[in-house]
Amino acid sequence: AQRVTQPEKLLSVFKGAPVELKCNYSYSGSPELFWYVQYSRQRLQLLLRHISRESIKGFTADLNKGETSFHLKKPFAQEEDSAMYYCALNMNYGGSQGNLIFGKGTKLSVKP
Amino acid sequence: KAGVTQTPRYLIKTRGQQVTLSCSPISGHRSVSWYQQTPGQGLQFLFEYFSETQRNKGNFPGRFSGRQFSNSRSEMNVSTLELGDSALYLCASSLGNQRYFGPGTRLTVT
Repeated sequence: AQRVTQPEKLLSVFKGAPVELKCNYSYSGSPELFWYVQYSRQRLQLLLRHISRESIKGFTADLNKGETSFHLKKPFAQEEDSAMYYCALNMNYGGSQGNLIFGKGTKLSVKP
Repeated sequence: KAGVTQTPRYLIKTRGQQVTLSCSPISGHRSVSWYQQTPGQGLQFLFEYFSETQRNKGNFPGRFSGRQFSNSRSEMNVSTLELGDSALYLCASSLGNQRYFGPGTRLTVT
């Protein structure tokens, strides 16, 4: 069955430290993966997509099909990065994006 | 450009009642999808509409239904409410590769 797993419910780091939020997926087809972020009292918003291969707010994520992972990384965490992060899988690669499977989310807390 | 709007923002209903939630997508967006968010299950896909047609449906009972109007506005209906339906219901509108979420409707079933 299709599944997205985020093993850490909470990740706490100090400002300036590297951060890695883990995401593993289970899907037999060609996955399209996303990271979404929800800051306190704000809407869920797209952070980045794997096919864009871009860096947003210093975050990057590389799709590793061998390990079925899509971990989110940032070399130097900032306090404003504190938020809830969700990894999501779109099974209809390049097609309809309505049907996303989300992980349970990781709450990132960056301490001063 | 106005974002996705959802009404009402908060709702309290009693078991057995029915409820209708509304979502207005960003102007020009024809795809609207709905998600249920609960502490236990996280974000779960309910259904997606495109040009008034349901394109995808999640694994929810038939009590959950939706529709989309010609102006792309969408509604979802839950009949015979159960305590477990208490959740934040999120709507998202899409244009191409961009998806934007609304603020959600917080439904509490007592």
